[in-house]
Amino acid sequence: NAGVTQTPKFQVLKTGQSMTLQCAQDMNHEYMSWYRQDPGMGLRLIHYSVGAGITDQGEVPNGYNVSRSTTEDFPLRLLSAAPSQTSVYFCASSTRQGDLGYGYTFGSGTRLTVV
Amino acid sequence: AQKITQTQPGMFVQEKEAVTLDCTYDTSDQSYGLFWYKQPSSGEMIFLIYQGSYDEQNATEGRYSLNFQKARKSANLVISASQLGDSAMYFCAMREGLSGGSYIPTFGRGTSLIVHP
Repeated sequence: NAGVTQTPKFQVLKTGQSMTLQCAQDMNHEYMSWYRQDPGMGLRLIHYSVGAGITDQGEVPNGYNVSRSTTEDFPLRLLSAAPSQTSVYFCASSTRQGDLGYGYTFGSGTRLTVV
Repeated sequence: AQKITQTQPGMFVQEKEAVTLDCTYDTSDQSYGLFWYKQPSSGEMIFLIYQGSYDEQNATEGRYSLNFQKARKSANLVISASQLGDSAMYFCAMREGLSGGSYIPTFGRGTSLIVHP
């Protein structure tokens, strides 16, 4: 099925461990983003990409790295996990033509707990 | 300063009644888009409705309508004839710079809606 696929759905990490959250889309969308969702804070932008080879920081980038070597994939790397990174992470993608009004297509989310 | 403000952390409504969820936004762009998303308890983000800044008519999608007041910079979501399945978190979002910007949406903090039978 077409859409945004995130893996894993759940993850528990120990403080200091590193890991990569995977995100893949098969809609040939140029724009991809990573958000984190915390209670009472809404969705906050971590990093985003407007095309292969192009990434930029969002509102809360510290502790995270991204790369975009292909149009389809946009992995998020946690360099050294901290309890403050316990959150639900969403990947989303969109076409360049923003006025189509289709909004962003979201993945199903990754619930990450850092202990 | 927040670009999207949702002032109602929680709302309650009786089944079959209408409810309005408030959203105000802040932008200096002339071209932008406004979105509402629903997040049920299962966690997925569901796109509901979109309003472009140049659209003259309020957007409607079934029981959802967007009350767009450009001068007031508000984009309230109206849900008519509420159903129990409407109980969820609702997020307002804005995408600026449609004329050449990055198209990356900014989200509000959300409103939790509970529909009572």
